[in-house]
Amino acid sequence: AQTVTQSQPEMSVQEAETVTLSCTYDTSENNYYLFWYKQPPSRQMILVIRQEAYKQQNATENRFSVNFQKAAKSFSLKISDSQLGDTAMYFCAFVSSNTGKLIFGQGTTLQVKP
Amino acid sequence: GAGVSQTPSNKVTEKGKYVELRCDPISGHTALYWYRQSLGQGPEFLIYFQGTGAADDSGLPNDRFFAVRPEGSVSTLKIQRTERGDSAVYLCASSLLGGANTGELFFGEGSRLTVL
Repeated sequence: AQTVTQSQPEMSVQEAETVTLSCTYDTSENNYYLFWYKQPPSRQMILVIRQEAYKQQNATENRFSVNFQKAAKSFSLKISDSQLGDTAMYFCAFVSSNTGKLIFGQGTTLQVKP
Repeated sequence: GAGVSQTPSNKVTEKGKYVELRCDPISGHTALYWYRQSLGQGPEFLIYFQGTGAADDSGLPNDRFFAVRPEGSVSTLKIQRTERGDSAVYLCASSLLGGANTGELFFGEGSRLTVL
């Protein structure tokens, strides 16, 4: 069975600084997708960034980038130039290309301080 | 509508009652997902529809939970004989394709269920 682990329940960062959120996953499959979702207090999940496992190049989306280490099954999210609006709960998620079932980690609560 | 719509946004019920939670996905999205999220936790997978059929219902916790999507669009999650442990936010998401082509999931704002 696939699992997703986020070992940092809470993180904080000063505005304009950089922060990295960790995620590891476990799977025996070779073809899959990884995501980072953001959930602000409004509850609505918003996609931050997506990585296809077959792509070696790390995905980047403006201030958000990932460090995808397939052999280590690690998928960390780096937020550069943190903004107050980045305060939210962040979830790492995995989906197998065989099942289509998206599995989430436990989440990391990020607080950006002014 | 422009996004995934879930109703009601909040539901308070008594233990033992029956509840229905509705999800209206983005028009044209073939895949629809239900998740349950407890406070401070990650969403827990319940069921995933591809069109009208349940492609994977392995996350439904027991036979009190049932979901339908009769016309491949709107879905209803039904909970019989509710228990206090069912209290959570129930999230719905839709995706254009789903399955092996899973792309971005678009989430609704959830239905908060409180069982007294």
